[in-house]
Amino acid sequence: SYVLTQPPSVSVAPGQTARITCGGNNIGSKSVHWYQQKPGQAPVLVVYDDSDRPSGIPERFSGSNSGNTATLTISRVEAGDEADYYCQVWDSSSDPVVFGGGTKLTVL
Amino acid sequence: QVQLQESGPGLVKPSQTLSLTCTVSGGSISSGDYYWSWIRQPPGKGLEWIGYIYYSGSTYYNPSLKSRVTISVDTSKNQFSLKLSSVTAADTAVYYCARAALTADLDYWGQGTLVTVSS
Repeated sequence: SYVLTQPPSVSVAPGQTARITCGGNNIGSKSVHWYQQKPGQAPVLVVYDDSDRPSGIPERFSGSNSGNTATLTISRVEAGDEADYYCQVWDSSSDPVVFGGGTKLTVL
Repeated sequence: QVQLQESGPGLVKPSQTLSLTCTVSGGSISSGDYYWSWIRQPPGKGLEWIGYIYYSGSTYYNPSLKSRVTISVDTSKNQFSLKLSSVTAADTAVYYCARAALTADLDYWGQGTLVTVSS
């Protein structure tokens, strides 16, 4: 089955840029989606199809995907961005839906 | 605005069957543009996809759960359901229902419901 690897944690100071990676074999050939989950809440889609943003998601959230790594970038990080972030792909060859293990973003 | 709401027992005994229903409002399950999904999250852990169903009844399951999972749809009630058999403590989790678009991005989620497996 397809495996997605995320760093367990990322820390960043307010106003700086956070980059959260998601590694997978030839992930650049797949559509990658990113979710933000705050404690006690359901996940929220923040980036879909590698780099598109749902309505209502700030432009500070962006995504890229190439080779074996997809990246979620959060610019001008705010305290309210502190959350767990999950990447997810659709892989028609095996498990249709695969999640990464999640990354806890800490705003210092 | 599409809304999803999970319902079902919060406590299930070991070896029994977990049953949950997701009621969709603000949109039709029969629209044909989406897959209707179940995802779970054990306490303190990450997300695990369980499976999804198309309005026609076609299903796709996580291979690791496939032998125990059944997802069904009732278009007349705009609902879809999850059954997970032979549960153990490892199945204790918050269970979410969600809508998946064609590349499986999950754009609307229910609030989640905690199901505890315990005698």
